[in-house]
Amino acid sequence: AQSVTQPDIHITVSEGASLELRCNYSYGATPYLFWYVQSPGQGLQLLLKYFSGDTLVQGIKGFEAEFKRSQSSFNLRKPSVHWSDAAEYFCAVGPSGGSYIPTFGRGTSLIVHP
Amino acid sequence: DAGVTQSPTHLIKTRGQHVTLRCSPISGHKSVSWYQQVLGQGPQFIFQYYEKEERGRGNFPDRFSARQFPNYSSELNVNALLLGDSALYLCASSLSQALSGNTIYFGEGSWLTVV
Repeated sequence: AQSVTQPDIHITVSEGASLELRCNYSYGATPYLFWYVQSPGQGLQLLLKYFSGDTLVQGIKGFEAEFKRSQSSFNLRKPSVHWSDAAEYFCAVGPSGGSYIPTFGRGTSLIVHP
Repeated sequence: DAGVTQSPTHLIKTRGQHVTLRCSPISGHKSVSWYQQVLGQGPQFIFQYYEKEERGRGNFPDRFSARQFPNYSSELNVNALLLGDSALYLCASSLSQALSGNTIYFGEGSWLTVV
């Protein structure tokens, strides 16, 4: 069965600092990988996704993520965090091919200090 | 164009009651899926419907049911509510049922509180 681990429940960074949110997955084949962001009281918005090809994926709002098969990881990065980035971030893994049943991690809460 | 719309946005129910949550997908989207998000957790998959047929079901009891209508809107029904059913219920839509080359769009959810 597929699973996703986000080891950090909370991350605190200062505005302007760099950010890396960790995601590890377990899946038998090459997975589809996603990062979503959820602002308070809102639904989820897709930041970026990896299906195949280039392992460094660019997303919206200046985010990027790198797929590392050897480490079963798909960490999310941003070079300079803005106060508006404070939100909950979810990593998700889905089966490659066929109907999707994505599995989400428990999320990492990002706190941004001025 | 309107995004995924869900109603109601908030509701309070008593244990043992029944609830119906509604979702309208983005125009042209034929796949609708439902998720339960308990506070402090990630979304858990409940159902997926595509072209009015159930295409996937998560690990939820039979108290949970859903359907998709000819206009592709969807309802999630929960019977015999338990306190543990208190959660944010998210609806998502996409053009097709597959993940490949497909973007899933989420609504803002329906907050259900069971007392």
